[in-house]
Order: sequence, then structure tokens, then C-alpha cells
Amino acid sequence: DTAVSQTPKYLVTQMGNDKSIKCEQNLGHDTMYWYKQDSKKFLKIMFSYNNKELIINETVPNRFSPKSPDKAHLNLHINSLELGDSAVYFCASSPSRVGAPNTEAFFGQGTRLTVV
Amino acid sequence: GENVEQHPSTLSVQEGDSAVIKCTYSDSASNYFPWYKQELGKRPQLIIDIRSNVGEKKDQRIAVTLNKTAKHFSLHITETQPEDSAVYFCAASQYSTLTFGKGTMLLVSP
Repeated sequence: DTAVSQTPKYLVTQMGNDKSIKCEQNLGHDTMYWYKQDSKKFLKIMFSYNNKELIINETVPNRFSPKSPDKAHLNLHINSLELGDSAVYFCASSPSRVGAPNTEAFFGQGTRLTVV
Repeated sequence: GENVEQHPSTLSVQEGDSAVIKCTYSDSASNYFPWYKQELGKRPQLIIDIRSNVGEKKDQRIAVTLNKTAKHFSLHITETQPEDSAVYFCAASQYSTLTFGKGTMLLVSP
């Protein structure tokens, strides 16, 4: 009965590789997000999708590309990985709709990405 | 965009003491202020939230206060227990994505 699940939980890869992280929510939520948590624990928004449409695209390198095949999925693809990409990436979802008051975000368990 | 400042970055208390974490926000249009708790190696989870039409909200040992005029809100934990040890994040938003503060590591010593 996992609400927001992301895979893999751990990802170790070499510099220059391309990798993807998958996220799925079974809560029927309209909005999904990707957050990056660095070594100092700071949670920073990367992307926000509402009903498969990109709503927010914060200042992240264009090596990061989100893809939402449907409302329940938001995947994150990263090209040409760099050492500085090492972090924990959290997917989240919320029932928020564009123009409606915001509500609680539910987080996935996180993906710890280590670039070596 | 919204900017959220959170203090202190680390807070150490003795079991049974109270803990207070404070946040300020910049966008006066923000109207939703949640607090998340993140235990080591776990995901952030909502513990309490407040909307701008309310000044205070309480849930057992946890309370949140909001001062819209001053644009600051606070988390109060009474009778702290070792299991309260975690990183706590405040956040603010209006219609768009939550903007988080940088977190407070709370350490409760037995």
C-alpha cells in the first residue's frame, strides 16, 4: 500500500553516465515533484508537474530532464552525471491543483545517488 | 519567489524540556505553512500545518503559531522525548510548490 514509491533506493554510478530514477504514486494526486537534498540536508525543489504538465522548472542543469507519462508517474533522467550530482533525490506528490490552495506533500523514500 | 529562513540550525535540549524552532517567509501571499520531520535516513513527513486564516494550531505536544503581519511562524514541542530527535523543516507556499527552510537538527538527550 505504498503511497509514493521511487526506484532505485540506492544508485552508484560513474561520472559521465546517464541514469534514471522512477517515481509512482497511487494516491490519485494531481501534482508531483522532484526535490534534491544535498549533504547539508537542504531540500530544494527541482521540478513540479500538474496533470502531466510542467509547472515549475527551477534552475537546474538541462542534463536533468523529468518525464511524466501519466498523472501517476514522474521519472527523472540525468545525463552526463557529475560528482556534484551526488545527493538524495525525493519524489513527492500532493492533491494540489493549479489555482487551489496548497496541501500536504507526500514524499517517496528517496534515492541516494552517488557519482564516483 | 518565496524565501524561507529557519533558525536555529541545531538545537540540543534535555528530555522533558521544550523546543522552539522559528521561520520567517518573504512572500506575503503565502498562505500554507507545514512542518515536516525527517528522521535519519527516512523521508520527510508532515507533522503539523497551519493556514493563514489561523493564528495557532495544536496537536498534543506539538503546536504551531503564525504571525502574518511579521511573516513568521514557529514550531513548539513540549515535553520533548528522545524520539523527537530528527531534522525539522518548515515550509511556505501559496498555490505553487512548497519552499523549505534549511532545516533544524533537534537532539533530545535522555
